[in-house]
Amino acid sequence: EAGVVQSPRYKIIEKKQPVAFWCNPISGHNTLYWYLQNLGQGPELLIRYENEEAVDDSQLPKDRFSAERLKGVDSTLKIQPAELGDSAVYLCASSLGQDPSYEQYFGPGTRLTVT
Amino acid sequence: KNQVEQSPQSLIILEGKNCTLQCNYTVSPFSNLRWYKQDTGRGPVSLTIMTFSENTKSNGRYTATLDADTKQSSLHITASQLSDSASYICVVTPNTGGFKTIFGAGTRLFVKA
Repeated sequence: EAGVVQSPRYKIIEKKQPVAFWCNPISGHNTLYWYLQNLGQGPELLIRYENEEAVDDSQLPKDRFSAERLKGVDSTLKIQPAELGDSAVYLCASSLGQDPSYEQYFGPGTRLTVT
Repeated sequence: KNQVEQSPQSLIILEGKNCTLQCNYTVSPFSNLRWYKQDTGRGPVSLTIMTFSENTKSNGRYTATLDADTKQSSLHITASQLSDSASYICVVTPNTGGFKTIFGAGTRLFVKA
């Protein structure tokens, strides 16, 4: 069974440019998460989806970040415009549902470098 | 504020040796506590999961323990291998507040030959 797929794996952009990340969760997983992970730190939740509904986006910087999960499957995370401080790894994860007993399966992440 | 603190920040051991990583948390009540392994350039992978009523869980050479009274968990790695070099992250899911998981900063383990 394929795991969580993310693309691109690496992205280098100049500040003020837009960038988008794509995530394909495990088939049948209703819950999808986007996390930000800085070097030497644990992941921090940006947004959580239940099917196509964003049920927790309290930590998403909405002035520059946006996300969508059309049809409740694939998801994209966008930053516009990017800032130097956005350099980090962006992880996507999925789980069967939001019950805490369900394991979150993580993708390999997209490493963003803003110059 | 709910927190998960891990120690040490990093650790270097020789191949074949045992080691123990620590996790202190303030989250209470909680639904479960997981230990994840994160290889460089990869996403975290779950190693063990414990509910508040469990005090030990094993997965091969990995054994996690939980002391709910002191709010401490540990991950013991037996007979370490080079492939154990990774970050180990303690994750606690509260029993309230929408089950928002709280991640520790991780312990970076280096296993040397």
